[in-house]
Amino acid sequence: NAGVMQNPRHLVRRRGQEARLRCSPMKGHSHVYWYRQLPEEGLKFMVYLQKENIIDESGMPKERFSAEFPKEGPSILRIQQVVRGDSAAYFCASSPPDRINYGYTFGSGTRLTVV
Amino acid sequence: SQQGEEDPQALSIQEGENATMNCSYKTSINNLQWYRQNSGRGLVHLILIRSNEREKHSGRLRVTLDTSKKSSSLLITASRAADTASYFCPIRGNKLVFGAGTILRVKS
Repeated sequence: NAGVMQNPRHLVRRRGQEARLRCSPMKGHSHVYWYRQLPEEGLKFMVYLQKENIIDESGMPKERFSAEFPKEGPSILRIQQVVRGDSAAYFCASSPPDRINYGYTFGSGTRLTVV
Repeated sequence: SQQGEEDPQALSIQEGENATMNCSYKTSINNLQWYRQNSGRGLVHLILIRSNEREKHSGRLRVTLDTSKKSSSLLITASRAADTASYFCPIRGNKLVFGAGTILRVKS
């Protein structure tokens, strides 16, 4: 089992460009969560998705950010018209349907740098 | 607040010593989890303790849970330099909410 796979590991974008971050959950995991970590800060929840559904997007900025988890393929976090303040590490986690007895498995993150 | 609050904020010990970190929370829980994050890397799930359990062991880790006091502790015995990391006890509603964590530094 390859674990949670995130790509790319590092992403550099110029201001105004789009950033697409991908996350493939662990096999058998139907829940995906995205977190953002600014330098020297803790993890901030962004969005929680199940297949084809957004369950909780209370941590997503209202503009420029969107997320999806299609029936086939990885979950995508999309940031349009990036600004310097979007520079951060973005972590994806997945969990199985049984959330009483199992924790999250995190990916290694995508480090986005906006220049 | 729905997040767990870790205490102390920072802890510095010598290799071989034990490290104890505490977690307090305010809501009812089904379970409590501890995670570790090494600098700049992803989080690793360490241990999960269910609300009907009082103590759980995993290798050098010992976790206790007191639901009446809404608190938990994580003990790392015989610490190693590789244990240097941030430790979190996020609380779960429909998603995990992370606090600031405890930064543990183990000096060799």
